[in-house]
Amino acid sequence: DTAVSQTPKYLVTQMGNDKSIKCEQNLGHDTMYWYKQDSKKFLKIMFSYNNKELIINETVPNRFSPKSPDKAHLNLHINSLELGDSAVYFCASSPSGGPTGELFFGEGSRLTVL
Amino acid sequence: AQSVTQPDIHITVSEGASLELRCNYSYGATPYLFWYVQSPGQGLQLLLKYFSGDTLVQGIKGFEAEFKRSQSSFNLRKPSVHWSDAAEYFCAVGSDSNYQLIWGAGTKLIIKP
Repeated sequence: DTAVSQTPKYLVTQMGNDKSIKCEQNLGHDTMYWYKQDSKKFLKIMFSYNNKELIINETVPNRFSPKSPDKAHLNLHINSLELGDSAVYFCASSPSGGPTGELFFGEGSRLTVL
Repeated sequence: AQSVTQPDIHITVSEGASLELRCNYSYGATPYLFWYVQSPGQGLQLLLKYFSGDTLVQGIKGFEAEFKRSQSSFNLRKPSVHWSDAAEYFCAVGSDSNYQLIWGAGTKLIIKP
């Protein structure tokens, strides 16, 4: 039973489209994250939610909108996709927010914008 | 500002040889230090972490790391690598004054047969 699961695993779409990535964790964690990993493997945090409340909102275009319907789910919606949005997006969770909690990552969702 | 440097973009090691991956950080107080591993096509997994106490920490898969305050380093070591260790390795730093982790750029480990 996967601890942090993301869907879809692969996503190929045209510029200008809108797409969503879903994430669910069954670990009972309070905090969830979205990370973006570019082609050079650089990891950048995008958002973090603690118990459905947004606590980290990095400098990310407004086209990206996270939504947490409950503390086990954190979805990412992207409007008007651009070529530069092509990346692997990772969802992660941790038992508590802050700098000491171990992060549990999903397998990633590879987004390719054509 | 806090930062994490992994000086080696990639390292090639023969199977069975020892390994050391370097990580240097910039931070004033005692940081929280982590090493994560990312196997191809997978998410990241925690190898080990250091918060306080013994500066030599043991992790999973036979890895260890040593915190050296004087050198601002937290290098990852393994005495004998296996082909399955081929992966990307990330060092990360946290602190009480910063809610999120600061990540290094990663080091890709290549294993020669």
